[in-house]
Amino acid sequence: DTGVSQNPRHKITKRGQNVTFRCDPISEHNRLYWYRQTLGQGPEFLTYFQNEAQLEKSRLLSDRFSAERPKGSFSTLEIQRTEQGDSAMYLCASSLAGVKETQYFGPGTRLLVL
Amino acid sequence: AQTVTQSQPEMSVQEAETVTLSCTYDTSENNYYLFWYKQPPSRQMILVIRQEAYKQQNATENRFSVNFQKAAKSFSLKISDSQLGDTAMYFCAFSRNYGGSQGNLIFGKGTKLSVKP
Repeated sequence: DTGVSQNPRHKITKRGQNVTFRCDPISEHNRLYWYRQTLGQGPEFLTYFQNEAQLEKSRLLSDRFSAERPKGSFSTLEIQRTEQGDSAMYLCASSLAGVKETQYFGPGTRLLVL
Repeated sequence: AQTVTQSQPEMSVQEAETVTLSCTYDTSENNYYLFWYKQPPSRQMILVIRQEAYKQQNATENRFSVNFQKAAKSFSLKISDSQLGDTAMYFCAFSRNYGGSQGNLIFGKGTKLSVKP
Protein backbone atom coordinates (compact mmCIF):
# COMPACT_ATOMS: atom_id res chain seq x y z
CA ASP A 1 0.00 0.00 0.00
CA THR A 2 1.88 3.01 -1.27
CA GLY A 3 -0.92 5.50 -0.73
CA VAL A 4 -2.53 7.90 -3.17
CA SER A 5 -0.04 9.72 -5.37
CA GLN A 6 -0.53 12.84 -7.43
CA ASN A 7 1.61 14.37 -10.16
CA PRO A 8 2.86 16.94 -10.60
CA ARG A 9 3.00 18.31 -7.06
CA HIS A 10 3.28 21.88 -8.31
CA LYS A 11 2.31 23.50 -11.59
CA ILE A 12 2.76 27.09 -12.72
CA THR A 13 1.08 28.06 -15.96
CA LYS A 14 0.05 31.12 -17.87
CA ARG A 15 -3.57 32.11 -18.26
CA GLY A 16 -5.13 30.44 -21.26
CA GLN A 17 -2.92 27.35 -21.20
CA ASN A 18 -4.20 23.82 -20.67
CA VAL A 19 -3.01 21.72 -17.75
CA THR A 20 -3.46 18.05 -16.83
CA PHE A 21 -3.06 16.44 -13.43
CA ARG A 22 -2.76 12.77 -12.66
CA CYS A 23 -3.92 10.77 -9.64
CA ASP A 24 -2.89 7.20 -8.89
CA PRO A 25 -5.21 5.68 -6.27
CA ILE A 26 -4.52 2.89 -3.82
CA SER A 27 -4.51 -0.19 -6.02
CA GLU A 28 -7.63 -2.04 -4.83
CA HIS A 29 -9.78 1.09 -4.44
CA ASN A 30 -12.72 1.33 -6.83
CA ARG A 31 -13.72 4.92 -6.04
CA LEU A 32 -11.77 8.03 -6.89
CA TYR A 33 -12.70 11.59 -5.94
CA TRP A 34 -11.40 15.00 -7.03
CA TYR A 35 -11.63 18.04 -4.76
CA ARG A 36 -10.38 21.61 -5.02
CA GLN A 37 -9.07 23.56 -2.04
CA THR A 38 -8.42 27.30 -2.08
CA LEU A 39 -6.55 29.19 0.61
CA GLY A 40 -8.45 29.37 3.88
CA GLN A 41 -11.20 27.05 2.73
CA GLY A 42 -12.06 23.42 3.11
CA PRO A 43 -11.89 21.14 0.08
CA GLU A 44 -14.80 21.38 -2.36
CA PHE A 45 -16.03 18.36 -4.26
CA LEU A 46 -15.54 18.35 -8.03
CA THR A 47 -16.32 14.85 -9.30
CA TYR A 48 -16.03 11.17 -8.54
CA PHE A 49 -15.68 7.84 -10.28
CA GLN A 50 -16.65 4.33 -9.40
CA ASN A 51 -14.39 2.14 -11.47
CA GLU A 52 -14.30 3.88 -14.87
CA ALA A 53 -17.77 5.46 -14.59
CA GLN A 54 -18.02 9.12 -13.67
CA LEU A 55 -21.00 9.07 -11.31
CA GLU A 56 -21.30 12.65 -10.13
CA LYS A 57 -20.07 16.09 -11.13
CA SER A 58 -20.33 19.27 -9.09
CA ARG A 59 -21.66 22.50 -10.54
CA LEU A 60 -18.14 23.79 -9.79
CA LEU A 61 -16.90 21.64 -12.66
CA SER A 62 -17.31 24.04 -15.57
CA ASP A 63 -17.08 22.89 -19.17
CA ARG A 64 -13.37 23.80 -19.11
CA PHE A 65 -12.78 20.93 -16.69
CA SER A 66 -12.80 17.30 -17.72
CA ALA A 67 -11.88 14.19 -15.82
CA GLU A 68 -11.30 10.64 -16.93
CA ARG A 69 -10.52 7.33 -15.33
CA PRO A 70 -9.74 4.92 -18.13
CA LYS A 71 -9.81 1.26 -17.12
CA GLY A 72 -10.78 2.25 -13.59
CA SER A 73 -7.21 2.80 -12.47
CA PHE A 74 -5.49 6.20 -12.52
CA SER A 75 -7.42 9.37 -13.22
CA THR A 76 -6.62 12.61 -15.00
CA LEU A 77 -8.11 16.04 -14.47
CA GLU A 78 -7.67 18.50 -17.32
CA ILE A 79 -8.33 22.21 -17.17
CA GLN A 80 -8.57 23.96 -20.51
CA ARG A 81 -7.98 27.69 -21.03
CA THR A 82 -6.91 28.21 -17.43
CA GLU A 83 -8.00 31.32 -15.57
CA GLN A 84 -6.44 32.97 -12.52
CA GLY A 85 -9.42 31.78 -10.48
CA ASP A 86 -8.37 28.19 -11.13
CA SER A 87 -5.35 28.68 -8.85
CA ALA A 88 -5.86 26.20 -6.02
CA MET A 89 -4.76 22.89 -4.56
CA TYR A 90 -6.33 19.97 -6.42
CA LEU A 91 -6.79 16.96 -4.17
CA CYS A 92 -7.48 13.39 -5.13
CA ALA A 93 -8.87 10.76 -2.79
CA SER A 94 -9.56 7.08 -3.26
CA SER A 95 -11.68 4.59 -1.35
CA LEU A 96 -13.21 1.15 -1.38
CA ALA A 97 -16.99 1.45 -1.56
CA GLY A 98 -18.79 -0.10 1.39
CA VAL A 99 -20.02 0.47 4.91
CA LYS A 100 -16.62 1.34 6.30
CA GLU A 101 -15.60 3.43 3.30
CA THR A 102 -12.74 5.77 4.11
CA GLN A 103 -11.41 8.33 1.65
CA TYR A 104 -7.61 8.40 1.58
CA PHE A 105 -6.20 11.64 0.26
CA GLY A 106 -3.18 12.29 -1.87
CA PRO A 107 -0.73 15.16 -1.29
CA GLY A 108 -2.40 17.35 -3.88
CA THR A 109 -1.28 19.33 -6.92
CA ARG A 110 -0.84 23.03 -6.33
CA LEU A 111 -1.74 25.07 -9.41
CA LEU A 112 -0.76 28.70 -9.89
CA VAL A 113 -2.15 30.50 -12.92
CA LEU A 114 -0.28 33.68 -13.78
CA ALA B 1 -28.25 21.39 0.37
CA GLN B 2 -25.95 20.32 3.17
CA THR B 3 -23.65 22.80 4.88
CA VAL B 4 -20.93 22.43 7.49
CA THR B 5 -19.88 25.32 9.74
CA GLN B 6 -16.78 25.59 11.87
CA SER B 7 -16.95 28.80 13.87
CA GLN B 8 -13.42 28.74 15.31
CA PRO B 9 -10.84 29.72 12.66
CA GLU B 10 -7.94 29.26 15.08
CA MET B 11 -7.37 27.69 18.48
CA SER B 12 -4.40 26.96 20.65
CA VAL B 13 -3.83 24.57 23.54
CA GLN B 14 -0.96 23.73 25.84
CA GLU B 15 0.68 20.37 25.44
CA ALA B 16 -1.05 17.68 27.57
CA GLU B 17 -4.21 19.77 27.93
CA THR B 18 -7.64 19.07 26.43
CA VAL B 19 -9.22 21.06 23.62
CA THR B 20 -12.63 20.92 21.94
CA LEU B 21 -13.26 21.95 18.34
CA SER B 22 -16.81 22.86 17.33
CA CYS B 23 -18.78 21.95 14.24
CA THR B 24 -22.40 22.40 13.27
CA TYR B 25 -24.10 21.17 10.13
CA ASP B 26 -27.36 21.49 8.32
CA THR B 27 -29.13 18.71 6.47
CA SER B 28 -32.59 17.33 5.87
CA GLU B 29 -31.20 13.81 5.64
CA ASN B 30 -31.75 11.32 8.45
CA ASN B 31 -28.93 8.94 7.59
CA TYR B 32 -25.49 10.35 7.07
CA TYR B 33 -21.89 10.22 8.21
CA LEU B 34 -19.82 12.86 9.97
CA PHE B 35 -16.05 13.02 10.01
CA TRP B 36 -13.12 14.91 11.40
CA TYR B 37 -10.09 15.12 9.13
CA LYS B 38 -6.65 16.41 10.06
CA GLN B 39 -4.37 18.23 7.61
CA PRO B 40 -0.88 18.78 9.10
CA PRO B 41 1.24 21.56 7.58
CA SER B 42 2.38 20.56 4.08
CA ARG B 43 1.10 17.02 4.56
CA GLN B 44 -1.88 15.16 3.28
CA MET B 45 -5.27 14.97 4.91
CA ILE B 46 -5.99 11.97 7.12
CA LEU B 47 -9.15 10.73 8.77
CA VAL B 48 -9.25 11.23 12.55
CA ILE B 49 -12.67 9.89 13.47
CA ARG B 50 -16.02 8.94 11.93
CA GLN B 51 -19.57 8.98 13.31
CA GLU B 52 -22.58 7.27 11.80
CA ALA B 53 -25.73 9.31 12.38
CA TYR B 54 -27.89 6.32 13.28
CA LYS B 55 -25.56 5.43 16.15
CA GLN B 56 -26.29 7.23 19.40
CA GLN B 57 -22.98 6.26 20.96
CA ASN B 58 -20.25 8.82 20.45
CA ALA B 59 -17.23 7.58 18.52
CA THR B 60 -13.81 7.44 20.15
CA GLU B 61 -10.35 6.80 18.75
CA ASN B 62 -7.66 6.80 21.42
CA ARG B 63 -7.22 10.45 22.50
CA PHE B 64 -9.91 11.67 20.10
CA SER B 65 -13.62 11.60 20.88
CA VAL B 66 -16.71 13.30 19.57
CA ASN B 67 -19.83 14.76 21.09
CA PHE B 68 -22.57 14.06 18.55
CA GLN B 69 -25.84 15.87 19.20
CA LYS B 70 -28.12 14.88 16.32
CA ALA B 71 -31.10 17.05 17.26
CA ALA B 72 -28.87 20.09 17.62
CA LYS B 73 -26.89 19.12 14.49
CA SER B 74 -23.68 19.54 16.42
CA PHE B 75 -20.52 17.44 16.13
CA SER B 76 -17.58 18.56 18.27
CA LEU B 77 -14.14 16.96 18.52
CA LYS B 78 -12.34 16.59 21.83
CA ILE B 79 -8.61 16.01 21.85
CA SER B 80 -7.27 14.83 25.18
CA ASP B 81 -3.63 14.96 26.29
CA SER B 82 -2.75 17.19 23.32
CA GLN B 83 0.58 16.48 21.65
CA LEU B 84 2.79 18.68 19.49
CA GLY B 85 1.99 16.40 16.55
CA ASP B 86 -1.68 17.36 16.83
CA THR B 87 -0.81 20.78 15.38
CA ALA B 88 -2.79 20.90 12.12
CA MET B 89 -5.87 22.16 10.34
CA TYR B 90 -8.91 20.19 11.41
CA PHE B 91 -11.85 19.86 9.05
CA CYS B 92 -15.32 18.70 9.93
CA ALA B 93 -17.03 16.92 7.04
CA PHE B 94 -20.44 15.48 6.14
CA SER B 95 -21.41 12.73 3.76
CA ARG B 96 -24.77 11.36 2.82
CA ASN B 97 -25.42 7.69 3.52
CA TYR B 98 -26.36 5.82 0.35
CA GLY B 99 -27.48 2.49 1.74
CA GLY B 100 -24.35 2.20 3.82
CA SER B 101 -21.93 3.75 1.35
CA GLN B 102 -20.61 7.29 1.44
CA GLY B 103 -20.88 9.93 -1.17
CA ASN B 104 -18.67 12.94 -1.64
CA LEU B 105 -17.52 14.84 1.43
CA ILE B 106 -18.76 18.34 2.27
CA PHE B 107 -16.19 20.16 4.37
CA GLY B 108 -16.25 23.09 6.75
CA LYS B 109 -13.67 25.86 6.47
CA GLY B 110 -11.45 24.32 9.09
CA THR B 111 -9.97 25.18 12.47
CA LYS B 112 -6.24 25.77 12.75
CA LEU B 113 -5.06 24.14 15.98
CA SER B 114 -1.69 24.98 17.48
CA VAL B 115 -0.34 22.89 20.34
CA LYS B 116 2.17 24.85 22.39
CA PRO B 117 4.98 23.25 24.41
